[in-house]
Amino acid sequence: AIQMTQSPSSLSASVGDRVTITCRASQVIRNDLGWYQQKPGKAPKLLIYSASSLQSGVPSRFSGSGSGTDFTLTISSLQPEDFATYYCLQDYNYPWTFGQGTKVGVK
Amino acid sequence: EVQVLESGGGLVQPGGSLRLSCAASGFTFSSNALSWVRQAPGKGLEWVSGIRGSGASPYYADSVKGRFTVSTDNSKNTLYLQMNSLRAEDTAVYYCDPNPYGYNLGYWGQGTLVTVSS
Repeated sequence: AIQMTQSPSSLSASVGDRVTITCRASQVIRNDLGWYQQKPGKAPKLLIYSASSLQSGVPSRFSGSGSGTDFTLTISSLQPEDFATYYCLQDYNYPWTFGQGTKVGVK
Repeated sequence: EVQVLESGGGLVQPGGSLRLSCAASGFTFSSNALSWVRQAPGKGLEWVSGIRGSGASPYYADSVKGRFTVSTDNSKNTLYLQMNSLRAEDTAVYYCDPNPYGYNLGYWGQGTLVTVSS
């Protein structure tokens, strides 16, 4: 199975900060990667699909980049509602695999 | 309007069985990938199983292979997960994605809690 290594596992940030989360795949996955946001007690929400395409309704401060094995999720200016846990997912082949998650907390 | 209702979770003893259902309305299953994902208490997300809307090509995580079976009933627009030989480590909230819009894991159910304990 493809391993997804996500970093950091947690970070502390302030409103207005630029936040970057990375995911590295153990093999090439083209651009078959999604980014998800999860808040406590809620189902995850798709933010980015195909590595860089913004899901409808998601604020433009979220962006994704990368291809092959290295991927990045960037929040350009962190907002109060963005404090959450973020996961990457490869859907290049089965079994699909998630990264370990990055918890974005208040500094 | 797309709606998804998950059901079937509950408390079961180790070695027991449960069947989860994911009933979708407002669209019909297509050839998109339908999925089950779980989250153990305090842990991250784990993809569990996937299948095409046609019912073809089921796939499983190694942790559930041979114990879980995914299926669809297109006449009822429902996705199922039959879980046998349950273990304590299967305790989790289980989410389904009936994939109404063609975005993998783009539409999640509300989740159903499965607790495996004696």
